[in-house]
Amino acid sequence: DAKTTQPNSMESNEEEPVHLPCNHSTISGTDYIHWYRQLPSQGPEYVIHGLTSNVNNRMASLAIAEDRKSSTLILHRATLRDAAVYYCISNSGGSNYKLTFGKGTLLTVNP
Amino acid sequence: GAVVSQHPSWVICKSGTSVKIECRSLDFQATTMFWYRQFPKQSLMLMATSNEGSKATYEQGVEKDKFLINHASLTLSTLTVTSAHPEDSSFYICSARAGGREKLFFGSGTQLSVL
Repeated sequence: DAKTTQPNSMESNEEEPVHLPCNHSTISGTDYIHWYRQLPSQGPEYVIHGLTSNVNNRMASLAIAEDRKSSTLILHRATLRDAAVYYCISNSGGSNYKLTFGKGTLLTVNP
Repeated sequence: GAVVSQHPSWVICKSGTSVKIECRSLDFQATTMFWYRQFPKQSLMLMATSNEGSKATYEQGVEKDKFLINHASLTLSTLTVTSAHPEDSSFYICSARAGGREKLFFGSGTQLSVL
């Protein structure tokens, strides 16, 4: 599985867009890019995942660089409830599926 | 969306006793379940992977005789912390994967405090 690098923390204002970056320069062609987030004292929550193309869902968008060595999670309008630790994870999927969490990015949302 | 129920939410026990944590997938069949441990202000650490009907695969450094995992059905996995000691105090989180799906569903976690 590819190692990922994220900033330790980021800050945003409520109702503004947030772009959370992730570097995964050693990613292989079959590795997926996953994003999860964790609120305090709770289990992680799935946000989005992708392989090559950009992805959108009701929570966020995932923009994947053309060379796949980096990606950006986009929260279109941050709310106070989006304050959490965001984890970017890359894994090979399939029968060897398991997610190894790094340190993530602590997102603070200011009112 | 899919729901994973983890019970209990918190437990306090005396040193030397055993504690069982349950993880249930409520509306889907979980072919694979994972158990994580998280210490304060740290990330999640994968402890083991379990597939229904087979023995769990433990990560390096995790004692399989201390952390007993049973995945007897497609909707239930249990983690038993045997002879718990204060250093086992941690937040334990389970997750489940439905066959062929690329995302995990997580339980709400169990805070274990060993006195």
